[in-house]
Amino acid sequence: EVQLVESGGGLIQPGGSLRLSCAASGFTFKNFAMNWVRQAPGKGLEWVSAISGNGGSTYNADFAKGRFTISRDNFKSTLFLQMDSLRVEDSALYYCAKEIGNFIHPIDSWGQGTLVTVSS
Amino acid sequence: SYVLTQPPSVSVAPGKTATITCGGDNIGGKTVHWYQQRPGQAPAVVIYYDADRPSGIPDRFSGSNSGNTATLTISRVEAGDEADYYCQVWDSTSVHYVFGAGTKVTVL
Repeated sequence: EVQLVESGGGLIQPGGSLRLSCAASGFTFKNFAMNWVRQAPGKGLEWVSAISGNGGSTYNADFAKGRFTISRDNFKSTLFLQMDSLRVEDSALYYCAKEIGNFIHPIDSWGQGTLVTVSS
Repeated sequence: SYVLTQPPSVSVAPGKTATITCGGDNIGGKTVHWYQQRPGQAPAVVIYYDADRPSGIPDRFSGSNSGNTATLTISRVEAGDEADYYCQVWDSTSVHYVFGAGTKVTVL
């Protein structure tokens, strides 16, 4: 059974940094692209970042460029999102999400999310 | 950047058919996936690659994609279908994934 467990969220002041982690199990992690998708309270889904199975290709939403960095450790089956220069509008539930294949495929598994609150 | 347009809400009586549209410039040239998100839960894919159903998704759910509109159709609607539905594409021009704003389906 696929399991994705996010951690690292919390309350942070504007301008601060957080590193989100997603521990994956139940599948061969290196074979699948992974994504971060966020959802502000009461709002819709918003794609954040994606990374290919070997980590060689990464893509970011415009709001994430220059501030967020997606990475992965295939030996530890863990996905990361380093978030710097955080803004109030980055407050959201951040989901770790696995694609069906290795990139440009639909998402077939989601974690339960980790909540990020940016506030002074 | 590429924009997907969904109606904010759709209301449907039990047993009837719900139609949810997702509009985008030549979206028929892209591959569309649909996700269902029930309150308090993570999303789940209900239609992928325009019209395919993952295992476990009832055949009441169907999808199509042509021209400037992709459509998710839910036939014989049940109370349990009440949820938010999102369309998603990969935009190769901006190299971004894009989600529609979501459609809330209310079962009357």
